[in-house]
Amino acid sequence: GDSVTQMEGPVTLSEEAFLTINCTYTATGYPSLFWYVQYPGEGLQLLLKATKADDKGSNKGFEATYRKETTSFHLEKGSVQVSDSAVYFCAPGGAGNMLTFGGGTRLMVKP
Amino acid sequence: DTGVSQDPRHKITKRGQNVTFRCDPISEHNRLYWYRQTLGQGPEFLTYFQNEAQLEKSRLLSDRFSAERPKGSFSTLEIQRTEQGDSAMYLCASSSRLDAETQYFGPGTRLLVL
Repeated sequence: GDSVTQMEGPVTLSEEAFLTINCTYTATGYPSLFWYVQYPGEGLQLLLKATKADDKGSNKGFEATYRKETTSFHLEKGSVQVSDSAVYFCAPGGAGNMLTFGGGTRLMVKP
Repeated sequence: DTGVSQDPRHKITKRGQNVTFRCDPISEHNRLYWYRQTLGQGPEFLTYFQNEAQLEKSRLLSDRFSAERPKGSFSTLEIQRTEQGDSAMYLCASSSRLDAETQYFGPGTRLLVL
């Protein structure tokens, strides 16, 4: 079945630092890929998505590029803010469009 | 524009009791999904509906769990004879006909079984 591997957290950065959260996946075919963000005590919010190889999804300064060759979808942001502190989940879509989530990566940004 | 809503947001129950959660999807979204998330883990798929039809169920969905979407709008998830291992966040999501792959999540119902 589908699976996702994300870098273990927590990732601790200072404000304005560069962020990379690695995500690799295994899936049948070429699914759409998603990043979701979860703030404490809340549900998941869609952050960005990419639907085909070489597509770049972007939102709120975050970017991720669909790399078919390496089955990766790494999340990046040039300058993080304290308000970006949250848990980030990478997920490929699957049969029936169910999402398969990794364990998530907790980001902590210090002022 | 109303998002996905879930009720209740929190539920504390004693082992052996039955609980029922409700999810209202985004208006006119025809697909509705249920996931379970335990502490420190990512959400795990439980089941999904297209309109009123339940099209897929995970092996995680034991026979104590039942989900319905009788009119193709809101959905309920019932857990019978709750166990402490059922303690988790139960998340609902919905997606539209035009973009079935993109799921929008509700705030979740946090269940604690004592």
